[in-house]
Amino acid sequence: GENVEQHPSTLSVQEGDSAVIKCTYSDSASNYFPWYKQELGKRPQLIIDIRSNVGEKKDQRIAVTLNKTAKHFSLHITETQPEDSAVYFCAASKVDSNYQLIWGAGTKLIIKP
Amino acid sequence: NAGVMQNPRHLVRRRGQEARLRCSPMKGHSHVYWYRQLPEEGLKFMVYLQKENIIDESGMPKERFSAEFPKEGPSILRIQQVVRGDSAAYFCASSPLQGQNEQYFGPGTRLTVT
Repeated sequence: GENVEQHPSTLSVQEGDSAVIKCTYSDSASNYFPWYKQELGKRPQLIIDIRSNVGEKKDQRIAVTLNKTAKHFSLHITETQPEDSAVYFCAASKVDSNYQLIWGAGTKLIIKP
Repeated sequence: NAGVMQNPRHLVRRRGQEARLRCSPMKGHSHVYWYRQLPEEGLKFMVYLQKENIIDESGMPKERFSAEFPKEGPSILRIQQVVRGDSAAYFCASSPLQGQNEQYFGPGTRLTVT
């Protein structure tokens, strides 16, 4: 079955710098890759997603890139701000698995002032 | 359109009691997922249900845990004879008709077993 690995488990960056979180997946049939953000004590919320027919998607300071050949996708956050501090989860799913999401273990992003 | 609702938000049970966690999906959503999250850890998939059907319960312990999503009413996650190790946050998420992948999470139920 599908397996999603996420790195790093913790990432500390200076405010204003960029942060990159990477995920790899094992099943080449996976075609949907969302990223969720979970602030301390809150629910996970979708921040951006990408489907396998595109290689990159941007939404203001957030971007996601997908490399289908290498089977990895990354979350890029530019000009980081204190409110970006949270745990970020990647996931993958495919059509014939009833669209179930297979989750990465999470990355704790710390923005240093 | 109200979001995913979960109740109670906090639940305290003594060892050996039963815990019932409720989840009302977003309007129009017929897919419900339950996850468990321990402090400082990731989301662990437990069970995936559609109306009146359990699609995948591979992440749910075979004993003491059960889930349902009846034709009418909320989805229920039931934990019998709770133990201290069941203490965790339990999140439910819902998604629209099959073919769309986004999952919308509820606020979670924080279960504490004393």
